[in-house]
Amino acid sequence: SQQGEEDPQALSIQEGENATMNCSYKTSINNLQWYRQNSGRGLVHLILIRSNEREKHSGRLRVTLDTSKKSSSLLITASRAADTASYFCATAYSGGGADGLTFGKGTHLIIQP
Amino acid sequence: DTAVSQTPKYLVTQMGNDKSIKCEQNLGHDTMYWYKQDSKKFLKIMFSYNNKELIINETVPNRFSPKSPDKAHLNLHINSLELGDSAVYFCASSQGPVAKNIQYFGAGTRLSVL
Repeated sequence: SQQGEEDPQALSIQEGENATMNCSYKTSINNLQWYRQNSGRGLVHLILIRSNEREKHSGRLRVTLDTSKKSSSLLITASRAADTASYFCATAYSGGGADGLTFGKGTHLIIQP
Repeated sequence: DTAVSQTPKYLVTQMGNDKSIKCEQNLGHDTMYWYKQDSKKFLKIMFSYNNKELIINETVPNRFSPKSPDKAHLNLHINSLELGDSAVYFCASSQGPVAKNIQYFGAGTRLSVL
């Protein structure tokens, strides 16, 4: 089964508006991370939230985590054209060890000027 | 300096050929990974190496073989390329187990098998 299902798959908003993306996962996690991928580029880490945290902020980003519902949300406030990208949530299993991240299919965000 | 670099950026080749993708990280990390991103942008872990030891292999075909000459490099060799191998391959690294640390990604290698 697939961890990290993002919702919506695509989102188009006007510059200046807020963008909210959601992520659901299936198993116990150690942490949940959000990454951004600009078209044709690699992934860039945005924020990591641990399983014992409920909310985290970084600049215009706000991430929440609800482990009881196995879900997370990423809020980008005051969006800019440069925020246009795909956003992925990724989970690290609480089983530990040097394992890879499990990514969702991503939300493609388009900021219209 | 680029933290995680992979070459080539683009690779176009015929079915049946053998090819390699190189990856180097200058972050001093001890764990490196290879991911495959398909046409629908779904990213899936292929391999990870920790201190030159393979620690996971997500049931990829044995035509794919990671080779790590040292801690800073993890190359991906692919034998007998097939059409379905066409994808973008990303190298990444992290310090210690990913359960605790973030990963740094290369820019990707777009492989097209004709």
